[in-house]
Amino acid sequence: NAGVTQTPKFQVLKTGQSMTLQCAQDMNHEYMSWYRQDPGMGLRLIHYSVGAGITDQGEVPNGYNVSRSTTEDFPLRLLSAAPSQTSVYFCASSYSAGVGEQYFGPGTRLTVT
Amino acid sequence: GQQLNQSPQSMFIQEGEDVSMNCTSSSIFNTWLWYKQDPGEGPVLLIALYKAGELTSNGRLTAQFGITRKDSFLNISASIPSDVGIYFCAGFNNNDMRFGAGTRLTVKP
Repeated sequence: NAGVTQTPKFQVLKTGQSMTLQCAQDMNHEYMSWYRQDPGMGLRLIHYSVGAGITDQGEVPNGYNVSRSTTEDFPLRLLSAAPSQTSVYFCASSYSAGVGEQYFGPGTRLTVT
Repeated sequence: GQQLNQSPQSMFIQEGEDVSMNCTSSSIFNTWLWYKQDPGEGPVLLIALYKAGELTSNGRLTAQFGITRKDSFLNISASIPSDVGIYFCAGFNNNDMRFGAGTRLTVKP
């Protein structure tokens, strides 16, 4: 099993550009989530999904969209990037909704200029 | 919102020493978790706690879920150089996870 994979590993965007951060897991996990990590801070939940077709907002959802069309994939979309979205983004998954034990991907470092 | 206060922010210890860090919250959590993050990588789960008062060990690591459900601590015994990293506490309720700001641990050989 590859676990949780994320692409790309690094990305630089100009303000106003759009992009999609990819996340996939091969563990047949029900729950998937996206976090951002800023310097000196813990991770903050952006959006999560408890199963295909079901998504919900986390602590900091503004400026981000998600969808979950399959169990394996959970892409995060930035429609119009802003410098405040410069961060490291982590995707995570768990075998079941309602369970806190999550497996994290390696992260995507995003810089918006 | 639910805020987690983690302390200390950083620790510098000698190899072989024991380490203790803790996390408190103004809100109750149903699950407390401890993660470790190495530079350039995602967090890795160390211990998960599900019941108030629960004490759980994973090798040299021991963690407890506070009786009030508003706090947790992590102890590392006999530290070794590979314990270096950032340790995060996390509280989990209803599919929503909140993290502390982390404790950066440095171990001097």
